[in-house]
Amino acid sequence: DAGITQSPRHKVTETGTPVTLRCHQTENHRYMYWYRQDPGHGLRLIHYSYGVKDTDKGEVSDGYSVSRSKTEDFLLTLESATSSQTSVYFCAISESRAGGLGNYGYTFGSGTRLTVV
Amino acid sequence: SQQGEEDPQALSIQEGENATMNCSYKTSINNLQWYRQNSGRGLVHLILIRSNEREKHSGRLRVTLDTSKKSSSLLITASRAADTASYFCATDAPTSGSRLTFGEGTQLTVNP
Repeated sequence: DAGITQSPRHKVTETGTPVTLRCHQTENHRYMYWYRQDPGHGLRLIHYSYGVKDTDKGEVSDGYSVSRSKTEDFLLTLESATSSQTSVYFCAISESRAGGLGNYGYTFGSGTRLTVV
Repeated sequence: SQQGEEDPQALSIQEGENATMNCSYKTSINNLQWYRQNSGRGLVHLILIRSNEREKHSGRLRVTLDTSKKSSSLLITASRAADTASYFCATDAPTSGSRLTFGEGTQLTVNP
């Protein structure tokens, strides 16, 4: 996906360990988002950012924290991984609020498949 | 809670046929968007329709929006095997802040 990369693509970790996922963009977009995707739940927002050092919680933020020290990077940290956090995590970026100022929506990364054992 | 709900959950058609997917939502919206997700990949933005628009076209895609019924439909005409994917609607609502709310998706299978 042009302009946005997620790392790592796959990770297996043990219960109780901290994990950090990285989202990097080269589009200079203001808004960045972290979603998780699970069968039967669709995509659920974890945290989002509307600028450097400006972040807010989504609907499933418990157990997660984020940081954005530069425009291009948005980090998602699982403070102490649990099996319920096994999921596919997607980062997304947008130039304007939810695509409202243009006809463009979100641009998604390719995802990180995280397994907590 | 999910704002948008797609219907049907799964749809299987033959190449060349049209595919119609529906999305219903609960609150008033600023705009509604449709995304496609191929297996193992991220979502790709297809089309955005604003609350004051009723219909929009992009290539083989046609989207309608009925704000009185709080529903939208995505029509893919002359479908191809490459259209096989999951399709999601997402809503931007005034109450949702700077973020979209996604439905659970429709899995479309186009058989060659």
